[in-house]
Amino acid sequence: EAGVVQSPRYKIIEKKQPVAFWCNPISGHNTLYWYRQNLGQGPELLIRYENEEAVDDSQLPKDRFSAERLKGVDSTLKIQPAELGDSAVYLCASSLDGAEGAGAQYFGPGTRLTVL
Amino acid sequence: AQSVTQLGSHVSVSEGALVLLRCNYSSSVPPYLFWYVQYPNQGLQLLLKYTTGATLVKGINGFEAEFKKSETSFHLTKPSAHMSDAAEYFCAVVGGYNQGGKLIFGQGTELSVKP
Repeated sequence: EAGVVQSPRYKIIEKKQPVAFWCNPISGHNTLYWYRQNLGQGPELLIRYENEEAVDDSQLPKDRFSAERLKGVDSTLKIQPAELGDSAVYLCASSLDGAEGAGAQYFGPGTRLTVL
Repeated sequence: AQSVTQLGSHVSVSEGALVLLRCNYSSSVPPYLFWYVQYPNQGLQLLLKYTTGATLVKGINGFEAEFKKSETSFHLTKPSAHMSDAAEYFCAVVGGYNQGGKLIFGQGTELSVKP
């Protein structure tokens, strides 16, 4: 069974440039998460989708971040414009529905973003 | 609100020695607790989880953890460390799906294993 797929794995951009990350979850997983992981810290949730609906985006900086999950399968996270402080690893995860599913999340390898 | 505290950002053990990684949680509802492992340049992998039932849970790679409600702890142990166990370990809590199903992670503990 294929795991969570993310691309690109690495991205280096200059500040004020736009950037987008793509995620394809495990087949059958209706819930999809985007996390940001700063160096030396645990991941922090940015947004959670159930199917195509964003059910928790309270931690998403909406002035510059946007996300979509059209058709309820793969998802794109965008930053425009990027700032120096956005340098981090962006992780995508997916899970089955329900409380246990919410904890047993399967993570992709992440996209390491460097903003210069 | 849920929170997790991992005691010790770095733990070093000798190969074959006991591994003990500490995690304390705070939750206003019965918690679901998890340990994840992250190898360099990789995503997080679920080691084990506690939801309900038996408080001693066994996971992959010989790890286990015990839920102790009275101590609000969920420490991770492994009887004998292997070099391949060197990684970052994260404890996490989710307060049930009606709480949003959001995983709250600790800061992580980096485990080093000396030959």
